[in-house]
Amino acid sequence: GAVVSQHPSRVICKSGTSVKIECRSLDFQATTMFWYRQFPKQSLMLMATSNEGSKATYEQGVEKDKFLINHASLTLSTLTVTSAHPEDSSFYICSAAGGETEAFFGQGTRLTVV
Amino acid sequence: GIQVEQSPPDLILQEGANSTLRCNFSDSVNNLQWFHQNPWGQLINLFYIPSGTKQNGRLSATTVATERYSLLYISSSQTTDSGVYFCAVETAGNQFYFGTGTSLTVIP
Repeated sequence: GAVVSQHPSRVICKSGTSVKIECRSLDFQATTMFWYRQFPKQSLMLMATSNEGSKATYEQGVEKDKFLINHASLTLSTLTVTSAHPEDSSFYICSAAGGETEAFFGQGTRLTVV
Repeated sequence: GIQVEQSPPDLILQEGANSTLRCNFSDSVNNLQWFHQNPWGQLINLFYIPSGTKQNGRLSATTVATERYSLLYISSSQTTDSGVYFCAVETAGNQFYFGTGTSLTVIP
């Protein structure tokens, strides 16, 4: 199957700083990428949908100014958590779609804000 | 949005036992996938199954789209099967809505 690479896999940052997470489709062009968040022992929740070259669409309750999403190319989407706080600590995972009907997910990024 | 519910939420099995996990969803969907989330958080794709039945070794899955449910069967369970199992339904826009998950523990 197709490969989606997410980086970093783990990051610890200080409260108030910003953190950027990258999601790359390695062997296909992803016209659409998705970002999910998972709190401990909970399910994955869709945060936003990003289409290459246009603004992301955020799910209800997700702050677009806090979670900046950029999808500048067909192989790369980034999620920036701005002014991170401890409550933003979570597992963030992306997925990519590019014509295949099966979804491919990245390995996830565990963010800890101290 | 689409509601996806899984049952049971927790399951403890003796090694060698069989089990059935269920996923109910509230609306028509384009696709359904079953995932096993490993201890590091990575989602391992088990089945892509919008309808019908598929088998892969000790695992099989059945989706009855008209009745909006899917079942994941695990036979002759092993300790390595432990973990969290998610079903996720896909909309026409390729967005996935995940179920509540089943946490499986297989004891030797």
